[in-house]
Amino acid sequence: DAMVIQNPRYQVTQFGKPVTLSCSQTLNHNVMYWYQQKSSQAPKLLFHYYDKDFNNEADTPDNFQSRRPNTSFCFLDIRSPGLGDAAMYLCATSRDVGSGRGLQETQYFGPGTRLLVL
Amino acid sequence: KQEVTQIPAALSVPEGENLVLNCSFTDSAIYNLQWFRQDPGKGLTSLLLIQSSQREQTSGRLNASLDKSSGRSTLYIAASQPGDSATYLCAVRSSNYQLIWGAGTKLIIKP
Repeated sequence: DAMVIQNPRYQVTQFGKPVTLSCSQTLNHNVMYWYQQKSSQAPKLLFHYYDKDFNNEADTPDNFQSRRPNTSFCFLDIRSPGLGDAAMYLCATSRDVGSGRGLQETQYFGPGTRLLVL
Repeated sequence: KQEVTQIPAALSVPEGENLVLNCSFTDSAIYNLQWFRQDPGKGLTSLLLIQSSQREQTSGRLNASLDKSSGRSTLYIAASQPGDSATYLCAVRSSNYQLIWGAGTKLIIKP
């Protein structure tokens, strides 16, 4: 089945130790997103890729970086995790069918990676 | 600035009841609105997507309506089942890629 896959499902890291979260998709969607979701809160968009074009949200901390080496894969790098970065990280994809003018189809989410910072 | 509100924050109903979840937004200039379901500790599953030109969408026991002029959407769940227990979030697309999210309604269906 076509899907969005995230690895690992659970990640424990130490304060300040870099960590990389992985997302892959078999949907061949041109847009990929990374969200941060803390307990009982709505997802917060960190950044998205439109094809290879990277778009950072204005309030995304510099501590967060992303790479998209090809259509299928996208990585979230947290350079120096702090205690406040413990959260669920969600990857999503969508297909832009309207030349980037909002006529996108639905976003498909992966199962998420729960990050714990010790 | 677009804001999305979901009321109630939590809802508990007996199995078999029909129920309505509400979502309101402040700026009617939207591209589309989506309803998602999230089970505890899991990712989000898209339930229904309503484009700005549409009034409603249906999928099985779910029906979502959209009234842009009043800034409202409702998600109607017919004949609720314990398996419907989850948090339901609505999200509005007001710009190309940014989804503006509500805080969600936590639904519990009692057997």
